[in-house]
Amino acid sequence: QKEVEQNSGPLSVPEGAIASLNCTYSDRGSQSFFWYRQYSGKSPELIMSIYSNGDKEDGRFTAQLNKASQYVSLLIRDSQPSDSATYLCAVNTDTGGFKTIFGAGTRLFVKA
Amino acid sequence: EAGVTQSPTHLIKTRGQQATLRCSPISGHTSVYWYQQALGLGLQFLLWYDEGEERNRGNFPPRFSGRQFPNYSSELNVNALELEDSALYLCASSVRQDQETQYFGPGTRLLVL
Repeated sequence: QKEVEQNSGPLSVPEGAIASLNCTYSDRGSQSFFWYRQYSGKSPELIMSIYSNGDKEDGRFTAQLNKASQYVSLLIRDSQPSDSATYLCAVNTDTGGFKTIFGAGTRLFVKA
Repeated sequence: EAGVTQSPTHLIKTRGQQATLRCSPISGHTSVYWYQQALGLGLQFLLWYDEGEERNRGNFPPRFSGRQFPNYSSELNVNALELEDSALYLCASSVRQDQETQYFGPGTRLLVL
């Protein structure tokens, strides 16, 4: 089992729709979780961080965390073509020494 | 405020050579992380430096090494380059490792011929 698992996609949604991106992780002791966006050929940029169970909203983005189910998700409301990118889920873990584990990413296409 | 900077942006080497990549963190950040992103693959954790010391390393051979200088800038060295080392090498920095967000530099694209 991969430490951080994401559906590779591509996920295709029409402009204005809600895009839902999912991520599961294996280390129950993980405490901090991040979503990054990466455009082709560019470096990742932070969208959201979440540390507690529940929802966290920032503009059109909502991160959801369920530690019991070891699941974190990102909702993008009113999706725009400029949201088309690869979304990376990242989890901080202390197992074997502190490190951040990234999922392989989900490619999102927003069709105009 | 300046972000994380990396140099060079591109690097072309041949098999067996050594490559040196450099990273300057955001001012006030003491932790520097190095990642490898091969084409079409996810980010793989390479090394973490904090306060001048190597704190952890990923599952990479010893020919991947580095250091952190007193000004918190960092260098990644890759010895005895192999073709599969061709990748985007990303540096990130954070204030400290404990739940703090990592901010990424633009990366160095290494091509090994």
